[in-house]
Amino acid sequence: TQLLEQSPQFLSIQEGENLTVYCNSSSVFSSLQWYRQEPGEGPVLLVTVVTGGEVKKLKRLTFQFGDARKDSSLHITAAQPGDTGLYLCAGVGGGSYIPTFGRGTSLIVHP
Amino acid sequence: GAGVSQSPSNKVTEKGKDVELRCDPISGHTALYWYRQSLGQGLEFLIYFQGNSAPDKSGLPSDRFSAERTGGSVSTLTIQRTQQEDSAVYLCASSLGTGKNYEQYFGPGTRLTVT
Repeated sequence: TQLLEQSPQFLSIQEGENLTVYCNSSSVFSSLQWYRQEPGEGPVLLVTVVTGGEVKKLKRLTFQFGDARKDSSLHITAAQPGDTGLYLCAGVGGGSYIPTFGRGTSLIVHP
Repeated sequence: GAGVSQSPSNKVTEKGKDVELRCDPISGHTALYWYRQSLGQGLEFLIYFQGNSAPDKSGLPSDRFSAERTGGSVSTLTIQRTQQEDSAVYLCASSLGTGKNYEQYFGPGTRLTVT
C-alpha cells in the first residue's frame, strides 16, 4: 500500500505570510497532483507534476516534485484569505491508476 | 458545461436503513470513482469504473457497500444496513480516462449522517 504523509496537518497564518506544505512517501509515484478543497465542495485540481525535479508555478503557488518522485511541496507566497482551504496531494504509481490521497493540510489565512 | 453532480447533497438516515447515493459524471468521461472522506481523513478510495471493464471494488469496506454504473454514465452507490461509522462525505469523480496525466473532476459530495 502506498502512503502519502502530509505536513503540517493544520496551518493558521496571517495574510501576507509565506507557507510551505509537504507531501512525503517512501514509494515512487509516476505522477503527483495537488488539489484544493473548500467546505461543502469537492476537491479541485491545482496541478499535476510528472517529472522528478519538476517545478510548476501557478500565480503565487509553486509546486515541486522531488528528484526521486517520492515527495512534493507546495509553497504559497503572500497568502491571501482566498487561499483558505484543505490542500490534498494525491499520487499515482505502482502500476495502479487509482490515486492515493494524503490526509490533507487545512490552511486558514486570516485577514 | 455541467460538472459532476451528486444527489442528495445531504442524507440523514437511521442505523440499519439502506441508502442510495447518485452520481452524474461529466458527459463523455469513461472513468468514474467513488471516495469516502471522513473528518480529519483523506479521501478513501471505494470503487472505480472504467468503460465496460469490470469495476475495481478493492476499496469497498464491507459487503454492505455496492455500486453500479448504468449505460456507462450514471452511478449509484448503495449502502445496506447503515452503521454509524458509515457517516462521512461520499465523493464521486470522473475523468476522461486513466493514466498518469488523468485529471479527476469531483462532485460536491453527499454528506451522510447515520443516527
